[in-house]
Amino acid sequence: EAQVTQNPRYLITVTGKKLTVTCSQNMNHEYMSWYRQDPGLGLRQIYYSMNVEVTDKGDVPEGYKVSRKEKRNFPLILESPSPNQTSLYFCASKGLAGGGETQYFGPGTRLLVL
Amino acid sequence: AQSVTQLDSHVSVSEGTPVLLRCNYSSSYSPSLFWYVQHPNKGLQLLLKYTSAATLVKGINGFEAEFKKSETSFHLTKPSAHMSDAAEYFCVVSEGTDSWGKFQFGAGTQVVVTP
Repeated sequence: EAQVTQNPRYLITVTGKKLTVTCSQNMNHEYMSWYRQDPGLGLRQIYYSMNVEVTDKGDVPEGYKVSRKEKRNFPLILESPSPNQTSLYFCASKGLAGGGETQYFGPGTRLLVL
Repeated sequence: AQSVTQLDSHVSVSEGTPVLLRCNYSSSYSPSLFWYVQHPNKGLQLLLKYTSAATLVKGINGFEAEFKKSETSFHLTKPSAHMSDAAEYFCVVSEGTDSWGKFQFGAGTQVVVTP
C-alpha cells in the first residue's frame, strides 16, 4: 500500500531536549516536505526536499533541521525544542514526473513541548 | 511570491443545500491550485487540483472548482451538501510547474452541515 508514515504519532517532551520525528514514504517520490498545523493558520511549510541531499527552507524553518540522505526518508530534527513548537506536524511526498503535483500526507505527529 | 486567502473561516449549510467555499490567490507565475479536506483527527485528502488544463475541475465526492484568472479565484462548490462533508477545507497554491517546491496553504474553512 502506498503510504507516508510518521513516527512517533504523539510526543510529549521538555524544553531543550533534542528530538527527531521520522518520515518515510514507499512511493519512490523525489519530493518530500514538512508542515506544521496550528489553529487558524492552516498548514505552514517548514522545509522541503526536491531529491536526495537537496533541501530548502519553507516559510517557517527557524528551530528545525532536516536531512535527506536516502530517497525514502526525511527526518525532522528539533535540536532544542521550545513551547512555541508545540503543534501538529505533517510530512508529505510527491513525484516530480508529469502529473505528479499531488502531495500525499502522512497521518500527523502531535508534539507537546513543556 | 505566492499567497492564498480563504475568505470564510466558518461556513454553515443545511444538508441538501449547495456549498460554496471561497479562495483567492496571488502568484507571480502560473499557479497550480489545490483543495484539500481534513476530517476531524484525520490527515489531509486531496479533493481536486488545477494545473493549467481545464479551468473547471471536478474532484471527488461531487466537489468541483473553477479557476478564474481575471478574478484570481479558485472557489470550491458542491451542489448538495451531505453530513459527511463536515470537515475543514484548505485551499493551496504552488507557483510554476510541479518541479517548484513551495506550497502555501490558506488558513482553512470549517464546514458545518446541519440536518
